[in-house]
Amino acid sequence: EIVLTQSPGTLSLSPGERATLSCRASQSVSGSNLAWYQQKLGQAPRLLIYGVSRRAGGIPDRFSGSGSGTDFTLTISGLEPEDFAVYYCQQYGTIPFTFGPGTEVDLK
Amino acid sequence: EVLLVESGGGLVQPGGSLRLSCAASGFSFSSNWIHWVRQAPGKGLVWVSRIIGDGTKTEYVDSVKGRFSISRDNAKNTVYLQMNSLRVEDTAVYYCTTYYASEVFDLWGQGTMVTVSS
Repeated sequence: EIVLTQSPGTLSLSPGERATLSCRASQSVSGSNLAWYQQKLGQAPRLLIYGVSRRAGGIPDRFSGSGSGTDFTLTISGLEPEDFAVYYCQQYGTIPFTFGPGTEVDLK
Repeated sequence: EVLLVESGGGLVQPGGSLRLSCAASGFSFSSNWIHWVRQAPGKGLVWVSRIIGDGTKTEYVDSVKGRFSISRDNAKNTVYLQMNSLRVEDTAVYYCTTYYASEVFDLWGQGTMVTVSS
């Protein structure tokens, strides 16, 4: 099983600031099959990024993904009030698909 | 409208059984893998199981193998998750999910809560 580790656990920022979230895999993620999700309290997750860097439909361009192999990054270029949430990375190249433990982006 | 709707959650005693349903509409259901993902209260997301479009291939996370069974009825656009020998640690919101416009989970249901407690 590929274990995903996310850091930091919590990121305290202000609106307008840049957020950089890290996701590290215990082994190489096959086929660039790495995605990022946003989840707000009481809601289902929302796909932001797939294939490491492809934005899902309707996702603003302030969200971007990068990385390869075992190290991946989600960047939010300027936080909007609606971006304060929990973010999960996921690998979907190897069964079982696995998620990271999440990074909470909260208001400083 | 493109939609996934889960149902069947509830309170069950340890060792009991429950069957969850995931009803789909608005897309080519029989072409898609359908997955179940769960989330224990206050915890992260865990992939549980998936089934191929024609129902001939299924996969499970180790923690549910031998206890959970996924199936589908394409005539009813519905996927099922039969959960047997339930444990307290199976308590979670269970989501069904699939891909619609991308290659991964861009369509989610609202979730159904399963509580395993005596």
